[in-house]
Amino acid sequence: KAGVTQTPRYLIKTRGQQVTLSCSPISGHRSVSWYQQTPGQGLQFLFEYFSETQRNKGNFPGRFSGRQFSNSRSEMNVSTLELGDSALYLCASSLAQFQETQYFGPGTRLLVL
Amino acid sequence: QKEVEQNSGPLSVPEGAIASLNCTYSDRGSQSFFWYRQYSGKSPELIMFIYSNGDKEDGRFTAQLNKASQYVSLLIRDSQPSDSATYLCAVNGGTASKLTFGTGTRLQVTL
Repeated sequence: KAGVTQTPRYLIKTRGQQVTLSCSPISGHRSVSWYQQTPGQGLQFLFEYFSETQRNKGNFPGRFSGRQFSNSRSEMNVSTLELGDSALYLCASSLAQFQETQYFGPGTRLLVL
Repeated sequence: QKEVEQNSGPLSVPEGAIASLNCTYSDRGSQSFFWYRQYSGKSPELIMFIYSNGDKEDGRFTAQLNKASQYVSLLIRDSQPSDSATYLCAVNGGTASKLTFGTGTRLQVTL
């Protein structure tokens, strides 16, 4: 069974631009969570989607948004990029309930110049 | 107080020794506990999860949970250089229905 895939793997943007990242969960998994990882803050929870609905949201500004499609694929969008948004963005999928085991994708490394 | 705390390390152990990684959490209602391994430049990889007090063993890895002390640990027996990585503790359940990660402990296994 294929693992979690994320595209693109690397991205360079400039301040003020927006970016969309994509995540395809493991086949059969319906829950997708997004995390931001930086050296200083570690892994920070962004949001979780299940059945196209956002079930949980972390403490990030409204510039960070996401959505999930009927096939469980998910996208996250960051608008008006700031230098501090440079990070590794990780997507994780799980079967259903949030408390179940989460499996991570390879991540998208975003650099904002 | 951070929700999940880990010593950042590095924790250095010789090859063949036991590595002991510790994690404390603040939410007494937490229900699920996970250990992930992350190699430099890679994404986290699940090693073990534990839900009940006591020990859980899987090969060279043993997870230990003490809910009364709000403490979870990971023991790695017969440590190998390939075990050198950052180990992330994650906690779920309780008042915050989300997975909260510690900042990780960097383990170095020396030859």
